[in-house]
Amino acid sequence: ILNVEQSPQSLHVQEGDSTNFTCSFPSSNFYALHWYRWETAKSPEALFVMTLNGDEKKKGRISATLNTKEGYSYLYIKGSQPEDSATYLCAFGSNDYKLSFGAGTTVTVRA
Amino acid sequence: DAEITQSPRHKITETGRQVTLACHQTWNHNNMFWYRQDLGHGLRLIHYSYGVQDTNKGEVSDGYSVSRSNTEDLPLTLESAASSQTSVYFCASSDTEAIYEQYFGPGTRLTVT
Repeated sequence: ILNVEQSPQSLHVQEGDSTNFTCSFPSSNFYALHWYRWETAKSPEALFVMTLNGDEKKKGRISATLNTKEGYSYLYIKGSQPEDSATYLCAFGSNDYKLSFGAGTTVTVRA
Repeated sequence: DAEITQSPRHKITETGRQVTLACHQTWNHNNMFWYRQDLGHGLRLIHYSYGVQDTNKGEVSDGYSVSRSNTEDLPLTLESAASSQTSVYFCASSDTEAIYEQYFGPGTRLTVT
């Protein structure tokens, strides 16, 4: 069982503010790091897949960075909006196609 | 459009009964996965399959079984339901490269009374 940790567990953000949170994972046997967005009563949807150290991905106001040598990834939300409220999951992908998920960071954006 | 579906969406059953949750995907993906979601644990892998006739145990496989007779379906069976198996169950599928994302079904909420 791989230890994938996310912090903080939850955070509240004022609309318009920017925020970021962390995913830490084992630095050995790395294959890919996935970020998923999970809205209440829906199923997780993929945001990013990153494979190379130093990778940066961006989708609208959301971006992510990857450091495979030290085993962490950051997810950034710029100018948070109420529709950004969700749980954000990171997952460590190993070369046997399995994903090990963190427990998630739940973001609540207050209007 | 390709999709992944789960049925039933909600199920209430009694302790000791056998329950089967269905998962069907039309992505033609070789890899399929079953997870359970519990508060504080995120998603935990129950069983997975890399193709027809292939099944493997995940980290929380006790009390569960799967079978893969075709590419599209991976049913999850609870042999004798226990209250500890009350959870939300998600099925997912992915293509054969680990960098490819997993596509999740809508989930099945199972309550064992």
